[in-house]
Amino acid sequence: DIQMTQSPSSLSAFVGDRITITCRASQSISNYLNWYQQKPGKAPKVLIYLASNLERGVPSRFSGSGSGTDFTLTISSLQPEDFATYYCQQSYVVPLNFGGGTKVEIK
Amino acid sequence: EVQLLESGGGLIQPGGSLRLSCAASGFTFSSYAMSWVRQAPGKGPEWVSGISPTGDNRYYADSVEGRFTISRDNSRNTLFLEINNLRAEDTAVYYCSKERLASGRGNSFDYWGQGTLITVSS
Repeated sequence: DIQMTQSPSSLSAFVGDRITITCRASQSISNYLNWYQQKPGKAPKVLIYLASNLERGVPSRFSGSGSGTDFTLTISSLQPEDFATYYCQQSYVVPLNFGGGTKVEIK
Repeated sequence: EVQLLESGGGLIQPGGSLRLSCAASGFTFSSYAMSWVRQAPGKGPEWVSGISPTGDNRYYADSVEGRFTISRDNSRNTLFLEINNLRAEDTAVYYCSKERLASGRGNSFDYWGQGTLITVSS
């Protein structure tokens, strides 16, 4: 199975900050990497698919990059509605594992 | 508008069985792969099972292989998950999710239901 490791597990930031979340796969997954945002009590919502493609309706302050084993999700200017937990997920091979999550909190 | 509505969760004793349903609308159900993803309390999502558009191909996480069976009825736009021999560690919210593509690598879960809670306890 491919293991997905996210870092950091949590971070605190101010509104307006630029933040970056990292996801590492235990083996190469090309660009088959998705990013999700989840708020308490809600289902996850896809933000980025195939490493760098912005899902329709997602603000352009979200961006993704990477290939192979190392990926990043960047929020260019953190907004109040962005405080949530973020998960990466590989779509290279089953099982379609998720990372452990990064909780983004208000500083 | 795409809608996914799960049902069938509840409180069940260890060793028991359940059948989850997911009623889909707002898209051509028979054209897309579907999956079940669960989330235990305070934990991250865990992909459980997936099925191809025709139902010919089914996939399972190791943790549920042999106990869970995914199926679909394209005539009724409904996805199912049959769960047997439930364990305490199966306690979770179970989400039905639509996959972006019919099949293959590079898929993502572009729509999710609201989830149905299964609690396994005596």
